[in-house]
Amino acid sequence: AAGVIQSPRHLIKEKRETATLKCYPIPRHDTVYWYQQGPGQDPQFLISFYEKMQSDKGSIPDRFSAQQFSDYHSELNMSSLELGDSALYFCASSLGPGRFHFGNGTRLTVT
Amino acid sequence: GQNIDQPTEMTATEGAIVQINCTYQTSGFNGLFWYQQHAGEAPTFLSYNVLDGLEEKGRFSSFLSRSKGYSYLLLKELQMKDSASYLCAVRDRSNTGKLIFGQGTTLQVKP
Repeated sequence: AAGVIQSPRHLIKEKRETATLKCYPIPRHDTVYWYQQGPGQDPQFLISFYEKMQSDKGSIPDRFSAQQFSDYHSELNMSSLELGDSALYFCASSLGPGRFHFGNGTRLTVT
Repeated sequence: GQNIDQPTEMTATEGAIVQINCTYQTSGFNGLFWYQQHAGEAPTFLSYNVLDGLEEKGRFSSFLSRSKGYSYLLLKELQMKDSASYLCAVRDRSNTGKLIFGQGTTLQVKP
């Protein structure tokens, strides 16, 4: 069965650079979620999209933006990167009240 | 506000049974999930409770009491590979029902 696909798996950037993370949800899932998980921390909700419209927003810095495209894939854009942005970034998708399916994550390292 | 509490660490012996508790206080409730997460990997779905009672799935069971804001995950016949973090997450009643995670319980299984 198809799963949530994230790319890239690993990303190394320098401070003040920009990064773009991509997420391809499970086909026909209507909601995409982005989470950030710092070392030893629980996943923190960033933002979600329902049917390509932003539906909820969590603790997402103003330097970050996200969107969902017509093919339902989503991108998280991160600018002016800081050392503290180093984390695992997970995308998840769901269909209605169904369970979340997580991608394998993108590990971002900011040096 | 949202508050989800779990013990930070637990240790158990191979072959034994362990119970991981989770208490929650959330502004809305639309189900409780348990996830397993190995370091650097995506959370893996274990169980889902929306009604009170016990859900059993092989070696894993999960219990929910909505009136008490309490859940537990029961792991039987522990194996070394069960050493991981276990995340309790509540689905809220926002438009997209995002998951709100507890800080996770790191379980170490010893021989």
